[in-house]
Amino acid sequence: DTEVTQTPKHLVMGMTNKKSLKCEQHMGHRAMYWYKQKAKKPPELMFVYSYEKLSINESVPSRFSPECPNSSLLNLHLHALQPEDSALYLCASSQDFQRPYEQYFGPGTRLTVT
Amino acid sequence: AQSVTQLDSQVPVFEEAPVELRCNYSSSVSVYLFWYVQYPNQGLQLLLKYLSGSTLVKGINGFEAEFNKSQTSFHLRKPSVHISDTAEYFCAVRDSNYQLIWGAGTKLIIKP
Repeated sequence: DTEVTQTPKHLVMGMTNKKSLKCEQHMGHRAMYWYKQKAKKPPELMFVYSYEKLSINESVPSRFSPECPNSSLLNLHLHALQPEDSALYLCASSQDFQRPYEQYFGPGTRLTVT
Repeated sequence: AQSVTQLDSQVPVFEEAPVELRCNYSSSVSVYLFWYVQYPNQGLQLLLKYLSGSTLVKGINGFEAEFNKSQTSFHLRKPSVHISDTAEYFCAVRDSNYQLIWGAGTKLIIKP
């Protein structure tokens, strides 16, 4: 099974709402990633978890809060977002962060902030 | 810092014709290179990767790429494209901080 699942597929939220994105993998991977992708652009790395510890935070605003409850799950908590945060949010996983293993991507959550 | 350049933002090609999508990277001691494909409204899927060894790498869906160290290139090729190959293609290189550095992407447009 080489699948990364993400829920929900679509999310519309107001600027005062709190919501969460969920990502799950059952490949035994120890690195998990959150990316943000704007239309017609490559993905931008937001966070990396390695062995359930936050390894990289790419200067992401605090209105985005990642959480890794266990080695299979990754959440992204959203609060007080801005319209410019509307994008496709992609989760990915890889066997190990420090070795050059490929990343497996989920289908993404398309987020619209109104 | 490493960088990746995809020279063509769009490549139109007729169905069943061959295609080459170009990718150049900035030089580094160790190079790990990837091609990903993104179909409309979907996530990214790995097409192929170069980590070491043979410079000709074969991937899924009939794609292949050649690692050329002297020209710092990793061009993607397919001998005969299909309508289903319509997608955005991203080249990426792994940098010294273990992160992927992405090219801007090339949109492959298949003309019937």
